[in-house]
Amino acid sequence: GNSVTQMEGPVTLSEEAFLTINCTYTATGYPSLFWYVQYPGEGLQLLLKATKADDKGSNKGFEATYRKETTSFHLEKGSVQVSDSAVYFCALSVLPSGGGADGLTFGKGTHLIIQP
Amino acid sequence: DVKVTQSSRYLVKRTGEKVFLECVQDMDHENMFWYRQDPGLGLRLIYFSYDVKMKEKGDIPEGYSVSREKKERFSLILESASTNQTSMYLCASSLEQGTDTQYFGPGTRLTVL
Repeated sequence: GNSVTQMEGPVTLSEEAFLTINCTYTATGYPSLFWYVQYPGEGLQLLLKATKADDKGSNKGFEATYRKETTSFHLEKGSVQVSDSAVYFCALSVLPSGGGADGLTFGKGTHLIIQP
Repeated sequence: DVKVTQSSRYLVKRTGEKVFLECVQDMDHENMFWYRQDPGLGLRLIYFSYDVKMKEKGDIPEGYSVSREKKERFSLILESASTNQTSMYLCASSLEQGTDTQYFGPGTRLTVL
């Protein structure tokens, strides 16, 4: 089956620090990879995605590169801000070969706390 | 912008009650999904639908059913609510078959007493 493993945290950093949140996966088939973010009291928002090996997704200063050889999709940001405090979820999707839809498989989420 | 709305942000029900959670999307998306979110477990897929009147079981369908009579609306039904169904429920939609980016609603926090 499919699974996603990510560091659970909480991860506490000072403002302007460098951020890495590790994510590794196992999948039957060729997945698309995602990072979603959940701010306090809100639903999940797509942060970035990558659909094939060596693709880099980026948004709001965050980046993640699809590494097929290490089955990883680590999230990075060079300089975090207090407003980045949220829960971050790594996820994958493997679409059925005959078309159709399937749900996302999520990691357990990483709670990020940025202190001023 | 895609908008996914859920009928309630907070809901309190008693054990044994029948509970309906409603989700509506306004972007003509074909696919709709229900997840539950629990601390330490992340999000888990309950059911999804890729067309009107079609439904597929996810990873944890036991104790739930769904209904999709119109394209824009996807309902999650707890036939007889139990305390272990206390959770945050998230609805999502995606555009069409073969696409995978999902858009989420704000969630319904259900408490079963």
